[in-house]
Amino acid sequence: NAGVTQTPKFQVLKTGQSMTLQCAQDMNHEYMSWYRQDPGMGLRLIHYSVGAGITDQGEVPNGYNVSRSTTEDFPLRLLSAAPSQTSVYFCASSYGGGGEQYFGPGTRLTVT
Amino acid sequence: KNEVEQSPQNLTAQEGEFITINCSYSVGISALHWLQQHPGGGIVSLFMLSSGKKKHGRLIATINIQEKHSSLHITASHPRDSAVYICAVEGGSDDMRFGAGTRLTVKP
Repeated sequence: NAGVTQTPKFQVLKTGQSMTLQCAQDMNHEYMSWYRQDPGMGLRLIHYSVGAGITDQGEVPNGYNVSRSTTEDFPLRLLSAAPSQTSVYFCASSYGGGGEQYFGPGTRLTVT
Repeated sequence: KNEVEQSPQNLTAQEGEFITINCSYSVGISALHWLQQHPGGGIVSLFMLSSGKKKHGRLIATINIQEKHSSLHITASHPRDSAVYICAVEGGSDDMRFGAGTRLTVKP
């Protein structure tokens, strides 16, 4: 199993550009989530999904969209990037909301 | 005030020392997680617990639901234990809240 994969590993965007961060898992996990990690702060939940076709907002959803058309994939879209979205983004999955979390390697995003 | 507070923020120890990292939370939870983030950035799950105590190798995690407190202990610490240790709690709505992490450095 590849586990949880994320692409790209690094990305630089200009303010106003859009992009999609990809996340995939091959463990047939129902629960997937996106977090951002900023210096001096804990991981913060952006969006999560409890199964294909079902998504919900987390703590910091503004400026981000998600969709879950398959169990395996959970892409995160930045509609119009802003410098405040400079961060490291982690995707995670688990069997359920209460299960052991498996994290992807992260995507380091810089918005100039 | 954060819902999840960890202490200390930074910890330096000598190899072989017994380490304790604390986590206090202010919300009702269904489970608590301890995670480890290595210098390279990868995050791995160490423990998930909702009561009592769990042990894995040199790592021990305990939780006291009444006091809303958990501890992570490392026995016979080693330089390879150097990492950021993160406490996270699950509430009732499928979301997780994280502490800011404890940066541990173990010197040889």
